[in-house]
Amino acid sequence: AQSVTQLGSHVSVSEGALVLLRCNYSSSVPPYLFWYVQYPNQGLQLLLKYTTGATLVKGINGFEAEFKKSETSFHLTKPSAHMSDAAEYFCAVSDAYGSSNTGKLIFGQGTTLQVKP
Amino acid sequence: GAVVSQHPSRVICKSGTSVKIECRSLDFQATTMFWYRQFPKQSLMLMATSNEGSKATYEQGVEKDKFLINHASLTLSTLTVTSAHPEDSSFYICSAVTGRGQPQHFGDGTRLSIL
Repeated sequence: AQSVTQLGSHVSVSEGALVLLRCNYSSSVPPYLFWYVQYPNQGLQLLLKYTTGATLVKGINGFEAEFKKSETSFHLTKPSAHMSDAAEYFCAVSDAYGSSNTGKLIFGQGTTLQVKP
Repeated sequence: GAVVSQHPSRVICKSGTSVKIECRSLDFQATTMFWYRQFPKQSLMLMATSNEGSKATYEQGVEKDKFLINHASLTLSTLTVTSAHPEDSSFYICSAVTGRGQPQHFGDGTRLSIL
């Protein structure tokens, strides 16, 4: 079974400050991991993904995340927050690597990022 | 690339009405499409997995006769909420993938309000 835990349902940072959104996962098979962003009344947009290879992955809008197997974590970071980064962020794990291979995503509970001027 | 179009974006209708929501992959062929439901301030709840030409696989607790899913082609899946009631009001989102291990690409969602 797979699961995702996002620590902190609400994170508030000042514009220009470091953004750190935490994600821990549980998976019995090598995980495929994703970060998505959702703006109000919209669907989800892929920020970045980890499948295999380099553990530090870079995504759109200056975001990056590092896969740490020993810590079962996939935290999302951005060096300097912009006002436009205010949104809901979801971490997700996929079973795509497993034998069942349904491609289903298991989402975390989401973290609301607030950016203060 | 990888654009998913969902229509309509908002529906308001009376209780007892059936509502159809379309999900189209515009620039790729989707082997699999997923339907989600999202309540305010909550995460996405997977309702069903839809593969082209076969019956949808529903998650536990989701009524198959209530939420009819059709995936007639590699670019179109539809979700029909039959005899909708106020408790069916929610934000419904679809997604599509090109193949195994590929990320899901999401539509912009449909806000369904049943009066």
